[in-house]
Amino acid sequence: NAGVTQTPKFQVLKTGQSMTLQCAQDMNHEYMSWYRQDPGMGLRLIHYSVGAGITDQGEVPNGYNVSRSTTEDFPLRLLSAAPSQTSVYFCASSLSGDPHEQYFGPGTRLTVT
Amino acid sequence: GQQVMQIPQYQHVQEGEDFTTYCNSSTTLSNIQWYKQRPGGHPVFLIQLVKSGEVKKQKRLTFQFGEAKKNSSLHITATQTTDVGTYFCAVNTGGFKTIFGAGTRLFVKA
Repeated sequence: NAGVTQTPKFQVLKTGQSMTLQCAQDMNHEYMSWYRQDPGMGLRLIHYSVGAGITDQGEVPNGYNVSRSTTEDFPLRLLSAAPSQTSVYFCASSLSGDPHEQYFGPGTRLTVT
Repeated sequence: GQQVMQIPQYQHVQEGEDFTTYCNSSTTLSNIQWYKQRPGGHPVFLIQLVKSGEVKKQKRLTFQFGEAKKNSSLHITATQTTDVGTYFCAVNTGGFKTIFGAGTRLFVKA
């Protein structure tokens, strides 16, 4: 199993550009989530999904959209990038239907100039 | 919203010394998880505690859940350079959301 994969590893965007961060898992996990990690602030939940077709907001959802058309994929879309969205983004998944024992992807380091 | 306070923010130790990080909540928790993140890496799940007063051990790591289920600790005995990284506690807020503490970064000097 590849586990949780994320692409790209690094990305630089200009203010106002849009892009999609990709996340996929091959463990048949129902629960998937997106976090952002900023220095000194731990991880903050952006959006999560408890199964295909179901998504909901986390702590910091503004400026981000998600969809879950399949169990495997959970892309995160930045609609109009802002410098405040410069961060490291982690996707995670969990075997159970809730966020216990989450498996994290390697992360995407995003810089918005 | 629910918050978890994690202390200390940083800890420098000499190899072989012990290390402890604490996680505190103002509300009763249903469970707590601990994760480790190596520098430049991603968080890796270590353990989950569910029961009041629970103590679990993984080699040199000891995890405790308070009797009131409002605090938890992670203790490392005789630290090694491989223990370097940031240790996070995480709690489920009811439903499907997880809140992470800010983390304790451990530096180990050989």
